[in-house]
Amino acid sequence: NAGVMQNPRHLVRRRGQEARLRCSPMKGHSHVYWYRQLPEEGLKFMVYLQKENIIDESGMPKERFSAEFPKEGPSILRIQQVVRGDSAAYFCASSPSSDAYNSPLHFGNGTRLTVT
Amino acid sequence: AQSVTQLDSQVPVFEEAPVELRCNYSSSVSVYLFWYVQYPNQGLQLLLKYLSGSTLVKGINGFEAEFNKSQTSFHLRKPSVHISDTAEYFCAVSGGNTDKLIFGTGTRLQVFP
Repeated sequence: NAGVMQNPRHLVRRRGQEARLRCSPMKGHSHVYWYRQLPEEGLKFMVYLQKENIIDESGMPKERFSAEFPKEGPSILRIQQVVRGDSAAYFCASSPSSDAYNSPLHFGNGTRLTVT
Repeated sequence: AQSVTQLDSQVPVFEEAPVELRCNYSSSVSVYLFWYVQYPNQGLQLLLKYLSGSTLVKGINGFEAEFNKSQTSFHLRKPSVHISDTAEYFCAVSGGNTDKLIFGTGTRLQVFP
């Protein structure tokens, strides 16, 4: 029973390039969350998606960042025209429902983005 | 809105000693409270959770946490730590069963032999 799969584990991009981060949730999970982890800042919520719908994107920067979770395939976090400040670890978590207590989040191992 | 404060960014401790990692939260509604652990280069794993009922919650790996409503705290404890407990520990709060998790800044527990 595979857990949450994120790829790539490490991603290096030059300033101005695009970064695409992929997340395959656990089998049977239709709820996906993206978090960003910066040193000394803990995890910051970015976006919450269900299949084909964005439920809460209150943590997403207004520009350059977008997320999707299509009917088929993984969830994608896309960062356009990356800047050095985008360097961070990006974690995906999934859940079978929106009930945070009875269906706690399962996290992937993260994608570490480095912008040079 | 909910928020979480973890006052200690690092906690060094010797093996077999007891440890307490502090967490305070603020919320205008009833909350769900969680502790997660993150080992190096890995994602987060759930240690324990609290919604209601007994204020003492037991989790995996011998950890437990006590909910204190009057002090708005949810401190994590272990009576005797092991080298393998070295990791980053995150306290988190959710404002309801459809609300996202809000994490604290984390506490790095370093266990020395």
